[in-house]
Amino acid sequence: GAVVSQHPSWVICKSGTSVKIECRSLDFQATTMFWYRQFPKQSLMLMATSNEGSKATYEQGVEKDKFLINHASLTLSTLTVTSAHPEDSSFYICSAIAAGGSYEQYFGPGTRLTVT
Amino acid sequence: AQSVTQLDSQVPVFEEAPVELRCNYSSSVSVYLFWYVQYPNQGLQLLLKYLSGSTLVKGINGFEAEFNKSQTSFHLRKPSVHISDTAEYFCAVRPGGYQKVTFGTGTKLQVIP
Repeated sequence: GAVVSQHPSWVICKSGTSVKIECRSLDFQATTMFWYRQFPKQSLMLMATSNEGSKATYEQGVEKDKFLINHASLTLSTLTVTSAHPEDSSFYICSAIAAGGSYEQYFGPGTRLTVT
Repeated sequence: AQSVTQLDSQVPVFEEAPVELRCNYSSSVSVYLFWYVQYPNQGLQLLLKYLSGSTLVKGINGFEAEFNKSQTSFHLRKPSVHISDTAEYFCAVRPGGYQKVTFGTGTKLQVIP
C-alpha cells in the first residue's frame, strides 16, 4: 500500500515552453502533498506544500507564478513549470501524506526535467 | 527551526564490512527522525523511523539506527553491507505535530566488491 506515482518520469522540453508533472496517490487519499526539487548530488529542497482544495504554500524563494501547483482532488496534485529555462532542469519529487494518518510522507519516483 | 547534519558526503566500504552513517540534528522541539534511501534516478524509500519508545530502531534491508537524545544523533548502521546497498542515504527530521520534513545533505554509500 501507500504508493505514489509521478508522470512523466522523464521529460525534455524546449526553453520557453511549459511542462506539467502529475503526482498521484494510488491507493490512499492524500490531503497534503509536497513538491521537492533535487539538484544533482544535493539534498531535497521543499518547494511547496499542496493541500487539497486550497492554494499551495510556497517556500521562501520559490516563484509561485513559475511553479504552478494544483491539488484538485485527494489523489492528484500537479506541478506546472511555466516558461521553462535550462536552469529549471532538475529532478522533481512529490510526496503525499495519507488523510488521518501519522504524517508519514510517501514519495513518488521522481520526474527528471531537462530544458534545452 | 530544525537542521540536519550529515558530516560524511561519501562513505566507501568493502562488501561484507560494517558501516555507520552519521546524522546529527538540532531542534528546539521534540522531533521524529527518519532515514531514507535513494537509488539513482529514483524517489526516496523509507528505511526506518523513530517516533517514540525504544531508541534502537530496526528497518528494512538489515539497517538499524539508534536515537541518542543527549547527543542529538541518529546514526544508521548495518553490520554487513552488500553491493546492492550502494545508494544515497538521507537523514530527516520532522517536528511532532507538523508535516514538514527537513532533510540532511545526504551520504553516498559506495560498497566496494
